[in-house]
Formats: sequence, C-alpha cells, structure tokens
Amino acid sequence: ETGVTQTPRHLVMGMTNKKSLKCEQHLGHNAMYWYKQSAKKPLELMFVYNFKEQTENNSVPSRFSPECPNSSHLFLHLHTLQPEDSALYLCASSPSPRGPHSTDTQYFGPGTRLTVL
Amino acid sequence: AQTVTQSQPEMSVQEAETVTLSCTYDTSESDYYLFWYKQPPSRQMILVIRQEAYKQQNATENRFSVNFQKAAKSFSLKISDSQLGDAAMYFCAYRSEGAQKLVFGQGTRLTINP
Repeated sequence: ETGVTQTPRHLVMGMTNKKSLKCEQHLGHNAMYWYKQSAKKPLELMFVYNFKEQTENNSVPSRFSPECPNSSHLFLHLHTLQPEDSALYLCASSPSPRGPHSTDTQYFGPGTRLTVL
Repeated sequence: AQTVTQSQPEMSVQEAETVTLSCTYDTSESDYYLFWYKQPPSRQMILVIRQEAYKQQNATENRFSVNFQKAAKSFSLKISDSQLGDAAMYFCAYRSEGAQKLVFGQGTRLTINP
C-alpha cells in the first residue's frame, strides 16, 4: 500500500468501550498527526509526533490517548468517550520541518468515521 | 491566534466553466504557508496547491491557480475548465513558518453541474 492508511474506516462504540484507531504511513515521513473533523466545524489538530516523540497536544481530553511506537505507525486509544466525540478522525504525515522555508506538506489518510452511542 | 475564513459554504459551477473559491485569513506573521486541500465524498483529503507567503508569484498547478493577495490576507482558488471529478469539499489552510499545525477554514462544498 502507498500513502497513509487508516483502520478501521468505520467504528461504532459505546461510551464504556475501549477501542483504538490505527494509522500507518508508507512515505518515509518523520512527523505524524491526528486531526478531528466534526460536522460544521473546521478540522482541529489534536496531536503531533516528530520522530516518535509527542511535540504538540492541542488541549485534548485524556480520554484520547495517542501512541507512536515508530515513525510509521500512530495509534489513538479511545476510552469512555462521549457522544460529542463522534467525528471523522484523520491521520496525516509529513517529512518534518527541515529549516526555514521548509514546505513540509501534510498528507492525509482516509479517516476513521467514529460514532459514539 | 491565526484564523482562516471561507465565506462560501457551497458553490456550484457548470462543467467546463471557471469557478473561484474564496479564503481570507488573519495573522500578524510575515512568513507562512497557505494551502488548498480537496476532500472528495468519502475519500481522503489531498493537497491541491500551496503558496509560500515570501513568494510574490501566484502558484499554479494545471487547471488550479491561486490569487494570493498578502496585504489583503486573501488566498482564493481558481479552478478552470471544471470537471465532474472536481466535485468535493475544498479547505483552505494556513501554517506558520516553523510550525506544524495547520489551521483550517470551514470548507466550501463545490458541486459541478453536467
């Protein structure tokens, strides 16, 4: 496979469930991202990882727990979610900034459509 | 904090015609990047075009071009010779120099009429 892949593509879970979203990138990038896309709201950055280290947490509730075991894989562990957490969760990757005027374009996966009942 | 505004929730255009999608942004920075992403229905978001703020020349990619007005903080996308495959949500995004966070607008849904 090429590009950025995400599994599962669709997930329905109850508020007491624990589930995980998986992202894999085949682009040789060193930065990975989680975004949340809710209806009628702009995409919101959740987390950034560079070289497996978390470098940004955009005030995300602790019921979302990211994990980045290596530069190619990113997980988002979910537990005790709320119905308002229902959204499309997008993963992205980029080469990682390399200095001034580095364009560092982000490439997105297809997303996981999450429904919390 | 930077903000990005897309004032057109929906646009439509006849196939083969030209359409322009609007985007304005607010920033106090002088060095940054602007992007247009396309998200087709149930498909992943892909980069359409990007613009470096330090470059005067407007970016172009085949049928896609931008009108970058730095002083006005405007970054519109022009799609020429519209095709059915251009139907999608289009998102304008901003990134500061040295940062990794993309700030997105609300999106514009583009419909192509055959």
